[in-house]
Amino acid sequence: AQTVTQSQPEMSVQEAETVTLSCTYDTSESDYYLFWYKQPPSRQMILVIRQEAYKQQNATENRFSVNFQKAAKSFSLKISDSQLGDAAMYFCAYSRRYGGATNKLIFGTGTLLAVQP
Amino acid sequence: IAGITQAPTSQILAAGRRMTLRCTQDMRHNAMYWYRQDLGLGLRLIHYSNTAGTTGKGEVPDGYSVSRANTDDFPLTLASAVPSQTSVYFCASGASGFSEQFFGPGTRLTVL
Repeated sequence: AQTVTQSQPEMSVQEAETVTLSCTYDTSESDYYLFWYKQPPSRQMILVIRQEAYKQQNATENRFSVNFQKAAKSFSLKISDSQLGDAAMYFCAYSRRYGGATNKLIFGTGTLLAVQP
Repeated sequence: IAGITQAPTSQILAAGRRMTLRCTQDMRHNAMYWYRQDLGLGLRLIHYSNTAGTTGKGEVPDGYSVSRANTDDFPLTLASAVPSQTSVYFCASGASGFSEQFFGPGTRLTVL
């Protein structure tokens, strides 16, 4: 069975600084997706970034980037130039790549990020 | 506005009562999902549906049932609520063959 582990329950960063959130996963599959979701106090789940396992290049979305290490089964999220609006719970998630069938998400337990002004 | 709606937003329920959480999407996605979110446990899949007329069990299905009569609606029913079902419930949907799931705003359910 696939598992996702986030070992940092809470993190804190100064505004404008850079922070890295860690995530490791376990799977026997070779083709899959990895995600980072953001959940602000509003409770809404927001997709931050997605990585396809077959792509060697790390995904980037504006101030958000990932460090995907497939052999090590590691998928960290780097937030650059942190802003107050980045304060939220961040979830790492995994999905198998069925190629047409249901893509069930497996979530980590989350990292609560605080941004200090 | 395209997206997923859930009702109610929050609910307090007496143990033993029956409750149906509603979920509707207007994106014509084939796949729909129900997750529950608990502190320290993240989100866990309860039930899912690949397409209208089919459903499947997720990681924590006990005490819950679902139906998928059409593409848009995917209600989650608690036949006899228990306090351990106190949680925030999220409905999500996704297009077949695509990885991204879109989430509803969630329902906070408290069972006393």
